[in-house]
Amino acid sequence: GEDVEQSLFLSVREGDSSVINCTYTDSSSTYLYWYKQEPGAGLQLLTYIFSNMDMKQDQRLTVLLNKKDKHLSLRIADTQTGDSAIYFCAERRDSSYKLIFGSGTRLLVRP
Amino acid sequence: SAVISQKPSRDICQRGTSLTIQCQVDSQVTMMFWYRQQPGQSLTLIATANQGSEATYESGFVIDKFPISRPNLTFSTLTVSNMSPEDSSIYLCSVGDPRGTEAFFGQGTRLTVV
Repeated sequence: GEDVEQSLFLSVREGDSSVINCTYTDSSSTYLYWYKQEPGAGLQLLTYIFSNMDMKQDQRLTVLLNKKDKHLSLRIADTQTGDSAIYFCAERRDSSYKLIFGSGTRLLVRP
Repeated sequence: SAVISQKPSRDICQRGTSLTIQCQVDSQVTMMFWYRQQPGQSLTLIATANQGSEATYESGFVIDKFPISRPNLTFSTLTVSNMSPEDSSIYLCSVGDPRGTEAFFGQGTRLTVV
């Protein structure tokens, strides 16, 4: 199949870490991306990882990639209320920029 | 990063009419992409807009319904034709970083068909 799957909802307390998970099916994926969408807004690119990497860290964001299990995660450290949004993972399967998106995970940060 | 401007940002249209959405990029890019995000859903690729040739449509999308223009390397339009309420969605333009890594999106056009 061609699905990219994510859990639909995650609720965390402010200051805690958030982990958003994503599974994909195509082992030939070249890059995997994480996007953030706030209400009424477009997509903001947060970070991405090349398929031959296991981990990438960028300030509060850590991306882990398990290529064997086709599992991708985004960890947000010290989650803030401004992090409340929908998070999409997306895979890129070839040299073009066509992306296959997951269903999105709605993150709610409680004060 | 590429800066993408989409116009209009939102519109309310009567069924049976057509709307043309514009996408302007601040740098030359080879490929531009049009996505649709239906209410509460994820993004689905409509087509790839190629400069100098016809757009390449994904399964379930046809040129008569979603004609696309790509007159140069910084601009594209997507028309939603003969609209019905089912076309109510956010339409987003996307481009790839010429360096070959990042994929950027415009702010989207929120379309409501009544």
